[in-house]
Amino acid sequence: AQKITQTQPGMFVQEKEAVTLDCTYDTSDPSYGLFWYKQPSSGEMIFLIYQGSYDQQNATEGRYSLNFQKARKSANLVISASQLGDSAMYFCATKITGANSKLTFGKGITLSVRP
Amino acid sequence: DTAVSQTPKYLVTQMGNDKSIKCEQNLGHDTMYWYKQDSKKFLKIMFSYNNKELIINETVPNRFSPKSPDKAHLNLHINSLELGDSAVYFCASSRRANTGELFFGEGSRLTVL
Repeated sequence: AQKITQTQPGMFVQEKEAVTLDCTYDTSDPSYGLFWYKQPSSGEMIFLIYQGSYDQQNATEGRYSLNFQKARKSANLVISASQLGDSAMYFCATKITGANSKLTFGKGITLSVRP
Repeated sequence: DTAVSQTPKYLVTQMGNDKSIKCEQNLGHDTMYWYKQDSKKFLKIMFSYNNKELIINETVPNRFSPKSPDKAHLNLHINSLELGDSAVYFCASSRRANTGELFFGEGSRLTVL
C-alpha cells in the first residue's frame, strides 16, 4: 500500500521568497509517480507537477520544482518567487504505475503568502 | 468551456433521501473518477471508470452507485443519505488510467441534515 505523509503545520512565506513544502512517501513498488496538486480557497484541485520514480532529473514547471530524493523517499515541492495567488492548500500524491492503481493523497499543507 | 463539469455544486438534503450528482468531461479522456473530500480536507478515491468499465471500487457503502453511460459521463447516485455522507464530492478525468495527472471538476458540496 502507498502512503503519503505531509506533517508541516500551516506554512507562511513572504511574497517573492521561495518556500519548500515537505512530502515523504512509502511504497514497496519500484515504479511509481509523485504528484503535487493545489487547492485554492475556491475549491478546485489543480495539477502542478509530476515526477516519475525513474526520472534522473528533478521535475520543474515554471516556478514549481520538485526536490526528489529517492533514497529518503521524499518529494518536496519548491515554489520560487511566491505570489499572493499561491496561497492555497497543497497536496502531495503518489500512484503506482499501472492502470488499476489509485492516486493516494496526503492530508495537505496550507500555505499563506504574506504581502 | 468547462473541461470537467459537475452538477449541482451544492446539495442540502435530509437524512434518508436519495440524491444524484452528474459529471461530464469534454476533454476526450478515457478515465473518470469520483473522490470524496471530508471536513478535514482528506481526499479519498471512491470509484474509477475506464472507457465505461469500473476499474477501481474502494470500500464504499453500496448506497453509492456510480453509472457511466459513456466515457464522457460519470454520475454518482447516493441512496438513503446519512449524516456522514456530508462532504465535497469531486469528479475528475484523466487521459488514460495509468496516469496520475487528473483534471478535477469544481466539486459538489453535499450537506445532509
